[in-house]
Amino acid sequence: NAGVTQTPKFRVLKTGQSMTLLCAQDMNHEYMYWYRQDPGMGLRLIHYSVGEGTTAKGEVPDGYNVSRLKKQNFLLGLESAAPSQTSVYFCASSPPGQTTKPQHFGDGTRLSIL
Amino acid sequence: KQEVTQIPAALSVPEGENLVLNCSFTDSAIYNLQWFRQDPGKGLTSLLLIQSSQREQTSGRLNASLDKSSGRSTLYIAASQPGDSATYLCAATGANSKLTFGKGITLSVRP
Repeated sequence: NAGVTQTPKFRVLKTGQSMTLLCAQDMNHEYMYWYRQDPGMGLRLIHYSVGEGTTAKGEVPDGYNVSRLKKQNFLLGLESAAPSQTSVYFCASSPPGQTTKPQHFGDGTRLSIL
Repeated sequence: KQEVTQIPAALSVPEGENLVLNCSFTDSAIYNLQWFRQDPGKGLTSLLLIQSSQREQTSGRLNASLDKSSGRSTLYIAASQPGDSATYLCAATGANSKLTFGKGITLSVRP
């Protein structure tokens, strides 16, 4: 009954460091998404994937890369972290083409860049 | 580009009050409209989803309505309780099930 699991839950980085956030879902969903949530800005879509091996840019993709090598996993990478990337990152998944089922969200990764 | 607005940003009401949370969107070409709840430090929990062909959905004390032509949705909470205190977000679903979120309404229900 795990749903969407994000790893890690918290992380502190120094400017210029790199890291990868992992999202895993066990619901066999085709679609997966990465959002960031900032005070006063709401949730904004970074990148998304409509299937294994595919990725696409969202609203705020700059400074991030993603990979979807396995259907159940969606990775978000920061190659050279910047203080502006301090945020809470949420992963979500949903079935393909469904307009009747909501997206399922993970509990978030709280990332601070010093 | 879809824009979703939720006003006011915060709301404080006494326990027992019936209340309405508003959501407006600029592009009526949506697949559905979703309402989520977010507790402090937590992820998003889906409350209600209204398909574009529907007018409303109900779950317990919650009722959500959708008027695509006017670009509006409302979330009605009956007999509010302190446990309803949270941030409520609405999101419009577009192509590839991508969500465009409002900034949320932080609700505080006073005992």
